[in-house]
Amino acid sequence: EPEVTQTPSHQVTQMGQEVILRCVPISNHLYFYWYRQILGQKVEFLVSFYNNEISEKSEIFDDQFSVERPDGSNFTLKIRSTKLEDSAMYFCASSDGRGYYNEQFFGPGTRLTVL
Amino acid sequence: GQQLNQSPQSMFIQEGEDVSMNCTSSSIFNTWLWYKQEPGEGPVLLIALYKAGELTSNGRLTAQFGITRKDSFLNISASIPSDVGIYFCAGHDFQGGSEKLVFGKGTKLTVNP
Repeated sequence: EPEVTQTPSHQVTQMGQEVILRCVPISNHLYFYWYRQILGQKVEFLVSFYNNEISEKSEIFDDQFSVERPDGSNFTLKIRSTKLEDSAMYFCASSDGRGYYNEQFFGPGTRLTVL
Repeated sequence: GQQLNQSPQSMFIQEGEDVSMNCTSSSIFNTWLWYKQEPGEGPVLLIALYKAGELTSNGRLTAQFGITRKDSFLNISASIPSDVGIYFCAGHDFQGGSEKLVFGKGTKLTVNP
């Protein structure tokens, strides 16, 4: 069964460093998403991406964040200068369409720890 | 902003018992979804609800979409140890033009064998 994969599973970084979280969405999907979940909190939407551009972003997704689809398979989230409060699980999701409802399939997540 | 209030926050039950959890919102959603998250995994969709008043089952799981489109419940019958996890409700407001899912804070379920 096709699935969304994410690497690494755990990333530890120093405050102020740049990190890139990687995702491989399901191969025929066209819509891509990043969500984050601070420990013990709810899952929060960050950004959606379609046709090589951001289609929607939340207030959390400030100038420190960027997304990219560098090739036909990967979808990345970059945090330019990490802060302590960026520590969270980051989930990538993909879907094959939008509209009334197209299921978003989630990856297993990357746990980001900022020291 | 849109918020989902999910209750209870946690539940401790014996194997075989039935479980009920619910979610309410101050705003209307077109679609309600119930996800389960197990340790080290991402959320997995259990049930999707599209129509107000809709009652949908998936095995031992039953969920209903409230008539007002502002609430939903999830029932699990005859719980088993593998039901352990965190259950999230999520809303989707496509007609508002958004693609994002809005999640509740989750209900952590523990099943004692």
